[in-house]
Amino acid sequence: QSALTQPASVSGSPGQSITISCTGTTSDVGGYNYVSWYQQYPGKVPQPLIYEVTNRPSGVSNRFSGSKSGNTASLTISGLQVEDEADYYCYSYRSSSALFVFGTGTKVTVL
Amino acid sequence: QVQLVESGGGVVQPGGSLRLSCAASGLTFSNYGMHWVRQAPGKGLEWVAFVRSSRNDKYYADSVKGRFTISRDNSKNSLYLQMNSLRAEDTAIYYCAKDGSKWDIDYWGQGTLVTVSS
Repeated sequence: QSALTQPASVSGSPGQSITISCTGTTSDVGGYNYVSWYQQYPGKVPQPLIYEVTNRPSGVSNRFSGSKSGNTASLTISGLQVEDEADYYCYSYRSSSALFVFGTGTKVTVL
Repeated sequence: QVQLVESGGGVVQPGGSLRLSCAASGLTFSNYGMHWVRQAPGKGLEWVAFVRSSRNDKYYADSVKGRFTISRDNSKNSLYLQMNSLRAEDTAIYYCAKDGSKWDIDYWGQGTLVTVSS
């Protein structure tokens, strides 16, 4: 099964907003509102940012927001900060024998 | 708070076997589905396997199906991954992860490194 497609890298200046896309199919991203996002610093454990497309777990900054249109989900980081420099992964439920799938990952660079 | 602690990683030759364990605490383990997720060195996250909370239904990535077996012992608050016929491409950090009940992952262990090399 193939991974969800994310851009390899996205960059922005402090204070700007950036958006990371996550493209799948009608069998995963487009078919269900079960898309979540994770932030991972080098050498560290992934941390949850968003679940069910738009919801933030307790303690996650409201600078992180999620959305979905058709087969593409998006993570937007507003008011970009140096500490946002990390890798970001989307994740979706999938209607197949392999029940879940991650995105290819996006490295965010703060210029 | 929820804690997930993996063990059992190490170096194994191609074709060999290894069994990973994950000890869970701070939660009613039997109420939640559990995942194994892996990350090869310098690569992205890859979902490996999932076991439901009590029905024991199991699901696998195509890359490990037929070689890996996920299991759980609710009486011991433990999750396992039996890995057979290991290949070089199975080299990765293996994370134990708790399903958040919204088909997301809300807690991750620290991971255990598996290296398949001769």
